[in-house]
Amino acid sequence: SYELTQPPSVSVSPGQTARITCSGDALAKKYAHWYQQKSGQAPVLVIYEDNKRPSGIPERFSGSRLGTMATLTISGAQVEDEADYYCYSTDTSGNSWVFGGGTKLTVL
Amino acid sequence: QLQLQESGPGLVKPSETLSLTCTVSGGSIHSSSYYWGWIRQPPGKGLEWIGSIYYGGSTYYNPSLKSRVTISVDTSKNQFSLKLSSVTAADTAVYYCARQVVPADCSSTSCYRLDYWGQGTLVTVSS
Repeated sequence: SYELTQPPSVSVSPGQTARITCSGDALAKKYAHWYQQKSGQAPVLVIYEDNKRPSGIPERFSGSRLGTMATLTISGAQVEDEADYYCYSTDTSGNSWVFGGGTKLTVL
Repeated sequence: QLQLQESGPGLVKPSETLSLTCTVSGGSIHSSSYYWGWIRQPPGKGLEWIGSIYYGGSTYYNPSLKSRVTISVDTSKNQFSLKLSSVTAADTAVYYCARQVVPADCSSTSCYRLDYWGQGTLVTVSS
């Protein structure tokens, strides 16, 4: 089955830039979305269609996609950005969606 | 403000069928702009997409669960439901329902993002 691969963890100091990657063969032709999930809460959409930001999401969140890799960038990460982050896209058929394994972001 | 609320038994016995319902309020499930999806998350693990349904009844299912999953919709009640048969302890998870946007300006299903989520409900499989 198709998989999206993310690093298990990323750690930055407050104010630094955090980058979380998501790789998968189908990403060469498919959009990626990104979700933030804080402990005990439902996921929240932070980036959709590679680089669009929903209303209410801070400008420090941005996204990009190049080749088979999508990247979520948090510029000037804050302590409140500590969370698990998941990428989301479809397989090559477009008939099945998949989440990446998730990346735990630590900001301290 | 759109709200989604999962409901159903919190405990299911092994080999039985897990049944959950998602009630949508603040918006109509009868819309060409959305699919409606189920996602689960085992304790301490990542998210897994289970399947999605359109108001007209067309569905997409996770291939790894397809043989055991049925998702249905009841537009008169503004609800959609999940049935997962022959459950085992591996099906223990928080189950979320969510709205999946179908952008009018994108022809790829990869554009279909999940934008509103329910709070989730824990279902434990145990005898």
